Amino acid sequence: ELKVEQNPLFLSMQEGKNYTIYCNYSTTSDRLYWYRQDPGKSLESLFVLLSNGAVKQEGRLMASLDTKARLSTLHITAAVHDLSATYFCAVDLTQGGSEKLVFGKGTKLTVNP
Amino acid sequence: EAQVTQNPRYLITVTGKKLTVTCSQNMNHEYMSWYRQDPGLGLRQIYYSMNVEVTDKGDVPEGYKVSRKEKRNFPLILESPSPNQTSLYFCASSKTGGFYEQYFGPGTRLTVT
Repeated sequence: ELKVEQNPLFLSMQEGKNYTIYCNYSTTSDRLYWYRQDPGKSLESLFVLLSNGAVKQEGRLMASLDTKARLSTLHITAAVHDLSATYFCAVDLTQGGSEKLVFGKGTKLTVNP
Repeated sequence: EAQVTQNPRYLITVTGKKLTVTCSQNMNHEYMSWYRQDPGLGLRQIYYSMNVEVTDKGDVPEGYKVSRKEKRNFPLILESPSPNQTSLYFCASSKTGGFYEQYFGPGTRLTVT
């Protein structure tokens, strides 16, 4: 059974600071996704990481994937209030022609002025 | 405008009364999925479809049915809803294989009493 664990689950940080969210998963997979969800809203796709060593960046967010360690990180640089949201990682598990997407529980990020 | 629509957005119903939540996308996407989101449990995949007439179970398919008779539509059917199906439901679609760059619908909040 694939398990996806995110740490921390809650993160309160000050504007201008840097921080990293971690996503560990238990079974081999080469595809990992990051999503953002604003309070009361739907989900938005942020990053798709498709291979070991993949790195994607957009604005103050940078995601990376280490498939050997089964670890992805979402790094926040110089946080601003607009980044306050819940961030989910999800891992794509393919078995016998069947595909499933398993989510972590999410990291609720609050950026304080 | 590219979008995924869901109806209804809010629904309160009683145990055992069959209901359907519709999902439609206008992007000609092949892949479509249904998820439920519950506090403390995060997002879990219910069903997904790789194309017309091709569907597969996700992690929590019990109590749900789906059909994909047209590419644009992927309704979620609860034949006999129970209170443990009270949840926030999201439909999503993506163009290519797997779950790359999923577009999510606005969500349907279902309460079963």
